[in-house]
Amino acid sequence: DADVTQTPRNRITKTGKRIMLECSQTKGHDRMYWYRQDPGLGLRLIYYSFDVKDINKGEISDGYSVSRQAQAKFSLSLESAIPNQTALYFCATSDPGVSNQPQHFGDGTRLSIL
Amino acid sequence: AQSVAQPEDQVNVAEGNPLTVKCTYSVSGNPYLFWYVQYPNRGLQFLLKYITGDNLVKGSYGFEAEFNKSQTSFHLKKPSALVSDSALYFCAVRDIGGFQKLVFGTGTRLLVSP
Repeated sequence: DADVTQTPRNRITKTGKRIMLECSQTKGHDRMYWYRQDPGLGLRLIYYSFDVKDINKGEISDGYSVSRQAQAKFSLSLESAIPNQTALYFCATSDPGVSNQPQHFGDGTRLSIL
Repeated sequence: AQSVAQPEDQVNVAEGNPLTVKCTYSVSGNPYLFWYVQYPNRGLQFLLKYITGDNLVKGSYGFEAEFNKSQTSFHLKKPSALVSDSALYFCAVRDIGGFQKLVFGTGTRLLVSP
């Protein structure tokens, strides 16, 4: 979905480094999410944000932090990367105005930690 | 807790044949169910959802899904498969709490052969 942009698309880094993944959206949605995808495990929720002032931990938040700089921007940080954080990371948005609206996903960031 | 299960890691079908990708669910309360598709190097794209009403839900790209309450299933179907349907398919259920969070299955890879 071109309305949800993730940068970078690919990143290779070393253990112990600090990494920031960025997500920006032009859909005007208040709700934003960060997921990681691992083979055989599907998508698991890391953090989600109701709006700029509301951030919540998801299923697997340990080792991650987030920042909601504006309605349109939601960043995910790995303060000290470790190899088992190697995964495909997705940002998503949804519109709270209508219940049960689908989420809209970016194209992902493939992160490799050596 | 809400959960979905996709019992098949991979489904193989010949082009022109009907396809079914299976999903079963376990929920407290009413189930709100979704199907997403992921093409290589892309994010998840919404296909269809079941909220209430008719048990047969029609979605994008000719896909449909059948909701079966007695069998707690929500199988994805298409009458005639295309090679371009080859992708990774995820079933998801809305999590409790009314936030629009989703709980995803582990995914099923669909391979359509010419």
